[in-house]
Amino acid sequence: GQQLNQSPQSMFIQEGEDVSMNCTSSSIFNTWLWYKQDPGEGPVLLIALYKAGELTSNGRLTAQFGITRKDSFLNISASIPSDVGIYFCAGQNSGNTPLVFGKGTRLSVIA
Amino acid sequence: GAGVSQSPSNKVTEKGKDVELRCDPISGHTALYWYRQSLGQGLEFLIYFQGNSAPDKSGLPSDRFSAERTGGSVSTLTIQRTQQEDSAVYLCASSSGVVPLHFGNGTRLTVT
Repeated sequence: GQQLNQSPQSMFIQEGEDVSMNCTSSSIFNTWLWYKQDPGEGPVLLIALYKAGELTSNGRLTAQFGITRKDSFLNISASIPSDVGIYFCAGQNSGNTPLVFGKGTRLSVIA
Repeated sequence: GAGVSQSPSNKVTEKGKDVELRCDPISGHTALYWYRQSLGQGLEFLIYFQGNSAPDKSGLPSDRFSAERTGGSVSTLTIQRTQQEDSAVYLCASSSGVVPLHFGNGTRLTVT
């Protein structure tokens, strides 16, 4: 089946630093999504990407849908303590296939 | 409520018992998903309901797992004869289309 490789698995950064994480797929996706999960809660949608090459921002977050449709990245600028959590990428091939998730990037921010 | 509601939030059961997990999706959402998240892992797709179509059950790990969605709204995930490896957080999500998904806070299942 389809697999998403998400990297890095974990990151420790200083408050104020920028963060970059990415996801690659063995096959083409037509939709890429980025979610954040806080402890004890369900994932919350951060950014949705629907078109190859699309670059979308949400506050300090920026995500891009790769031109090949096999990758996506998420950048967080000027990190703050509340950015701590697990970030998941997710992709979908077509409207009738389930959303596939990466294994997540665990972000820790040191104040 | 405004979001996806799951109950119970925590469930401890003995090995071999059956459990039922409930999901109340956002009103009007036609799509409903169940995912499983093991400790420190990503989300594993289990089953997907879309409107009146036959559900996509391709992610169910064994025939001990089943799910129903009554009246196009509430869904119940049933695990029969639970095993210790079934311990995980079970997440439900709904959507007005196919994506994006809005998740509940999950049911943490512990099988002893």
